[in-house]
Amino acid sequence: QKEVEQDPGPLSVPEGAIVSLNCTYSNSAFQYFMWYRQYSRKGPELLMYTYSSGNKEDGRFTAQVDKSSKYISLFIRDSQPSDSATYLCAGANAGNNRKLIWGLGTSLAVNP
Amino acid sequence: DGGITQSPKYLFRKEGQNVTLSCEQNLNHDAMYWYRQDPGQGLRLIYYSQIVNDFQKGDIAEGYSVSREKKESFPLTVTSAQKNPTAFYLCASSISGRSSYNEQFFGPGTRLTVL
Repeated sequence: QKEVEQDPGPLSVPEGAIVSLNCTYSNSAFQYFMWYRQYSRKGPELLMYTYSSGNKEDGRFTAQVDKSSKYISLFIRDSQPSDSATYLCAGANAGNNRKLIWGLGTSLAVNP
Repeated sequence: DGGITQSPKYLFRKEGQNVTLSCEQNLNHDAMYWYRQDPGQGLRLIYYSQIVNDFQKGDIAEGYSVSREKKESFPLTVTSAQKNPTAFYLCASSISGRSSYNEQFFGPGTRLTVL
């Protein structure tokens, strides 16, 4: 079992839809959770970062962490064609290493 | 502009040849990382360095080597011992490997193809 599981999709939605992207993780020591967006043939860029449980909102994006169920989510409101990309989730523990453990990524297509 | 640069963008190598991928950052970050990305396998950590003149193996270090002689530079050499080197290689950096969080910033990547 991978430490971070993520459905690779592809996920296809119409423009304006609310998108829900999800990951589960198995390591109870994870404290830091991140969502990256990666366009085709580009490097990933950090979208959202959360520490421990709770919600964090930034514009159309909301990241949610539920440590009791080991579930992390990214919601995209009013999705746009420019949101079409692969979304990667990652977790890290609070130890000295803080190495990121990555999900495989979910491919999202927002259709105009 | 602050950021991470990787060169070249595309690289072709013949079997049996060593090749070095460049990664430079001007973010004044202490930590730097090399990942390999293959379709369906996500990001896999090759090597990382938390400080100059020190580096550690990641999950798939066999067939690769690195050096960290300067804070801003972390070159990766893909040796002939790497059996399947064709992949997309990503370099990243973070403020510190020991900071309160580990926000990593990525370069644009190098696509290596072995002919």
